[in-house]
Amino acid sequence: ILNVEQSPQSLHVQEGDSTNFTCSFPSSNFYALHWYRWETAKSPEALFVMTLNGDEKKKGRISATLNTKEGYSYLYIKGSQPEDSATYLCAFSNNAGNMLTFGGGTRLMVKP
Amino acid sequence: KAGVTQTPRYLIKTRGQQVTLSCSPISGHRSVSWYQQTPGQGLQFLFEYFSETQRNKGNFPGRFSGRQFSNSRSEMNVSTLELGDSALYLCASSLSTIRTHGYTFGSGTRLTVV
Repeated sequence: ILNVEQSPQSLHVQEGDSTNFTCSFPSSNFYALHWYRWETAKSPEALFVMTLNGDEKKKGRISATLNTKEGYSYLYIKGSQPEDSATYLCAFSNNAGNMLTFGGGTRLMVKP
Repeated sequence: KAGVTQTPRYLIKTRGQQVTLSCSPISGHRSVSWYQQTPGQGLQFLFEYFSETQRNKGNFPGRFSGRQFSNSRSEMNVSTLELGDSALYLCASSLSTIRTHGYTFGSGTRLTVV
C-alpha cells in the first residue's frame, strides 16, 4: 500500500500572504508526482506533473519543487488571493500505468 | 474543445440495486480512468481503460466493473449496491500517458445509496 501524506490538512491565510504545503511519498520506485487544484463545485485541475529529482515548476504565482530521494514535494503560493481558495491534491505514481495514489489534500482558505 | 462529460450528475439508488455511470472523454484521449471519492478515504483509483482494454485495476471488489467503447467512451457499473458505495465518482481522461500533462477530470457523478 502506497502512502501519500499531505500537510497541513487545512490552512487559513490572509490575502497577500505567501504559503506552502508539503506532500510526502515513498522514495523508492518513483515515476511521477502530480499536483491538482480542486475548487468547490468544480473538477480537479492539473497544476504540475513532475518527474525528475530537483524539478521546479511554476505557473503564475504557484510553484512546486520535487525531491525524489527523500520523498517530498512542496507547493508554494506567492501573494495568496481569494480565488486561490481550493483543495490542493498531490498524487504519486510508481509505474508507467495511468494510476495515481492521491494524498488527502490541503484545504486552503484565503480571506480577503 | 469539450471537456470530460459525466452523466448523470446525481443519482439515488437503493441497496441491492445496480447502477451504470457514463463518461465521455476529451476528443483524442484514449485513456479513461475512474476514481471514487469519499470523505474518509479521499480519491481512490478504481480502474483505467485504454483502447477498450482494462489496463490497470485498483483494490475494489468485483461488484465494480467497467468497459470502454471504440469511441473511447467509458461506463462503470456497480452491482448489488451497498450503503458504503455512496460517493462521488470521478472520471478522468488522458492521452496514452499522464506523465506529461496529467488528467483532465469530469465533474463527477454523486451517487447516494439509501
